[in-house]
Amino acid sequence: QTQLQQSGPGLVKPSQTLSLTCAISGDSVSSNSASWNWIRQSPSRGLEWLGRTYYRSKWYNDYAISVKGRININADTSKNHFSLQLNSVTPEDTAVYYCARDANSENWFDPWGQGTLVTVSS
Amino acid sequence: QSALTQPASVSGSLGQSITISCTGTSSDVGGYNYVSWYQQHPGKAPKLIIYDVTKRPSGVSNRFSGSKSGNTASLTISGLQAEDETDYYCCSYTSSTTYVFGIGTKVIVL
Repeated sequence: QTQLQQSGPGLVKPSQTLSLTCAISGDSVSSNSASWNWIRQSPSRGLEWLGRTYYRSKWYNDYAISVKGRININADTSKNHFSLQLNSVTPEDTAVYYCARDANSENWFDPWGQGTLVTVSS
Repeated sequence: QSALTQPASVSGSLGQSITISCTGTSSDVGGYNYVSWYQQHPGKAPKLIIYDVTKRPSGVSNRFSGSKSGNTASLTISGLQAEDETDYYCCSYTSSTTYVFGIGTKVIVL
């Protein structure tokens, strides 16, 4: 059974970089069928898909337009995890961040990580 | 990409059936059979309950069912139980190779 375990700081200062990691057990980040996603949830924006990374003989990324230019998602095959970096954060980026798997790139998310509340504040 | 439209709340009595709608556009809900539904209890991560519009993952009660007509998808909960009182979100793949979620619906069991 695949499980996702998130880690990272819960407080980030404005203009700095938000960094979170999602450790995978029971699957491989370099799977040729899965994609690995980041999704956030806030009262003002609801659930918002941020982006994904996936491996199909080489690495690919897709990002939401709302964060394009500020976001980077990459995988570390040696640690079997993937990471989110969101640059130049503002208080609007305060949210619960989730990682999630799309097992066979079939456009649904399961399982999800436990969630990390990230607050952007000085 | 605008969020998919869901009613803020839907209520029903124990044992009754309720339906939650999820309205998008031809670029998302109407264009693909890639609508999924998630149940979320307070303080927990969302849980997949329907995928590909109508399919149920193993272990999910058959009281949950999905459908779609045009740009609107629907989740029906039959035989409403107290434990069904929580939040539900729809999600669709989009023509931009991204995903869009609904704003969420709170189910109230009377």
